[in-house]
Amino acid sequence: QKEVEQDPGPLSVPEGAIVSLNCTYSNSAFQYFMWYRQYSRKGPELLMYTYSSGNKEDGRFTAQVDKSSKYISLFIRDSQPSDSATYLCAMRSQGAQKLVFGQGTRLTINP
Amino acid sequence: SAVISQKPSRDICQRGTSLTIQCQVDSQVTMMFWYRQQPGQSLTLIATANQGSEATYESGFVIDKFPISRPNLTFSTLTVSNMSPEDSSIYLCSVDSGGGAYEQYFGPGTRLTVT
Repeated sequence: QKEVEQDPGPLSVPEGAIVSLNCTYSNSAFQYFMWYRQYSRKGPELLMYTYSSGNKEDGRFTAQVDKSSKYISLFIRDSQPSDSATYLCAMRSQGAQKLVFGQGTRLTINP
Repeated sequence: SAVISQKPSRDICQRGTSLTIQCQVDSQVTMMFWYRQQPGQSLTLIATANQGSEATYESGFVIDKFPISRPNLTFSTLTVSNMSPEDSSIYLCSVDSGGGAYEQYFGPGTRLTVT
């Protein structure tokens, strides 16, 4: 079993829809949770990070962490064609430098 | 966030040869990381490079195959040695932000094809 599981998609939604991207994990020591966006032929770009449980909002993006369920989510409101990319979750334990990545979900927003 | 550049951006190499990838950061950073991203796959950490010490390799990666240099706080190189088609991948360097979450920032990647 992988430490971090992420549905690879692909996921295709119409412009303006609310998008929900999710990851589950097995290591209860993970404390820091990140979401990266990767456009085709580019390096991953850090979108958001959260510590422990709770929500964090940044514009149209909301990250949620439920440590009791070992489940994290990224919501995109009012999705735009420019949001079309692969979204990767990543997480790490307290005191560890190593990030563990999910497989990435390929998202397409259709105009 | 740090600005990271990589050279070359892409290359096509013959099996049995070696390629050295350079990573340059616009600010001094303690930790630099090298990842591999195979087609349709996620990122796999190859090794962590601290300035002035030997790189720390992850399980499945060895120094003879992926030697790393870290001569100063803004630069690192990764060499892919004795290449085979299985080494065809995107190679990414990243740096530690130094912030509380130790979030990492990535370079644009080097797309390697081995024929």
